[in-house]
Amino acid sequence: AQKITQTQPGMFVQEKEAVTLDCTYDTSDPSYGLFWYKQPSSGEMIFLIYQGSYDQQNATEGRYSLNFQKARKSANLVISASQLGDSAMYFCAMREFNTGNQFYFGTGTSLTVIP
Amino acid sequence: GAVVSQHPSRVICKSGTSVKIECRSLDFQATTMFWYRQFPKQSLMLMATSNEGSKATYEQGVEKDKFLINHASLTLSTLTVTSAHPEDSSFYICSATSGQTSTDTQYFGPGTRLTVL
Repeated sequence: AQKITQTQPGMFVQEKEAVTLDCTYDTSDPSYGLFWYKQPSSGEMIFLIYQGSYDQQNATEGRYSLNFQKARKSANLVISASQLGDSAMYFCAMREFNTGNQFYFGTGTSLTVIP
Repeated sequence: GAVVSQHPSRVICKSGTSVKIECRSLDFQATTMFWYRQFPKQSLMLMATSNEGSKATYEQGVEKDKFLINHASLTLSTLTVTSAHPEDSSFYICSATSGQTSTDTQYFGPGTRLTVL
């Protein structure tokens, strides 16, 4: 089974609007971390936000917030007030604490911000 | 955030030659470094995990004799693609993490685009 599933290969959003990028995960490890990365056309992977499995509050970092629904095993990324520079690939990733250091990546979502 | 550099950023080589890619953590000690390969419009594929001072752990299907990984210090890991062929052309990305807890994120290098002619 896929550890990380991103079902939206491509998304469009109007500038200044909010957008939600979906991510679901599969793990039996009670201790894990969820990450979102942005990859612009230059190729560099940029860390955006982190959510721990035991965190009570949803993570927020500036315009990024993570909608963490543990029972549903989902960790959607919400980008508020989209900017043209947000156009990029976005990857959701998970790290299981008790089963090694490996990160599992989703297939990514390509976000295009329309002026 | 932490900075990871990768060198070279782009390399073109002839078939049969070997290419070395360096990955450095500039402002933290990286106990673990990861090497990924990414094909166009696809996700990252983990090739191997390397811990400082020990042999790398390769993912299934990755030839360890072809992709030599050395993690000689806490700030440097190298990937050598030996006897490169056109099918090895890809985007190679390294990442580094300072710890082994689930809260430690990976910080990625800018990537190396390898083209084998």
